[in-house]
Amino acid sequence: QVQLQESGPGLVKPSETLSLTCTVSGGSISGYYWSWVRRPPGKGLEWIGYIYYSGNTNYNPSLQSRLTISVETSKNQFSLKLTSVTAADTAAYYCARLSRVATVSNYYYHSMDVWGQGTTVTVSS
Amino acid sequence: DIVMTQSPLSLPVTPGEPASISCRSSQSLLHSSGYYYLDWYLQKPGQSPQLLIYLASNRASGVPDRFSGSGSGTDFTLRISRVEAEDAGVYYCMQTLQTRTFGQGTKVEIK
Repeated sequence: QVQLQESGPGLVKPSETLSLTCTVSGGSISGYYWSWVRRPPGKGLEWIGYIYYSGNTNYNPSLQSRLTISVETSKNQFSLKLTSVTAADTAAYYCARLSRVATVSNYYYHSMDVWGQGTTVTVSS
Repeated sequence: DIVMTQSPLSLPVTPGEPASISCRSSQSLLHSSGYYYLDWYLQKPGQSPQLLIYLASNRASGVPDRFSGSGSGTDFTLRISRVEAEDAGVYYCMQTLQTRTFGQGTKVEIK
C-alpha cells in the first residue's frame, strides 16, 4: 500500500522560499507522475504542478515563475519550492500520485489516485 | 486557460434522495482520443481529496455505484443516486485537457 507523507516548515516569512518534501513509502517513485495541490483557507483546490520520475515537469502557469518541482529517486522523494511567498500562498499543501487509470486510443490517461494527508503552511512575519 | 465553473456552490441534501452537481468548462474538453478529459474529486471534512470519476464517466476503483458521471463538450454532471451521510464534503471537477484546473467546489451538506 503506497503512502505519501508531506514534510516541511509550517511557517514561512513573506518574500522567503516555501520548501516541502513528499516521501513515498510502500512503493517506488519510478514509473509515475507526482503532483502537488493546495487548498487556501476558505477556498477551493488549486493544482500546482507535477513531475515525472525522470524529471519532466508541468506547472500551473500562474505559479510557474516562482515554482520548482524536483525529484530524488534515490530517496523516493519529490519536492516543491515556491519563491517570494506572500500571504496568498498560505494553504494546506497536498502531494499526490498520478497513476495511469486508462489507456484510450493509444493515449495514457492519469489521475490522482493516492494522496498524502496534507501539511499546512502559513506565510506570516 | 480553461476555466471550470461549478453549480451549485452549496447543496443541502436529504439522505436517500438523489443529488447532482453541474460543471461547465470554458472550452470543450474533448481530446483527440475521442474522450472527455475531466475528473471528479471529493474532499470529505478533515480528509485529503479522493478520486471519484475519471474521463468524465468512469468510476475509480472502490467508488460506490451510486456515483455516476456524464456529459460532453463543455457540460458535465456528477450524480449521486441515493445520498448517504458519508457523502458529505466538497466535490470538485477538474479538467485535464490543458495542464489541470479545478472548479470552485460544491459543498454537499447532509440535512
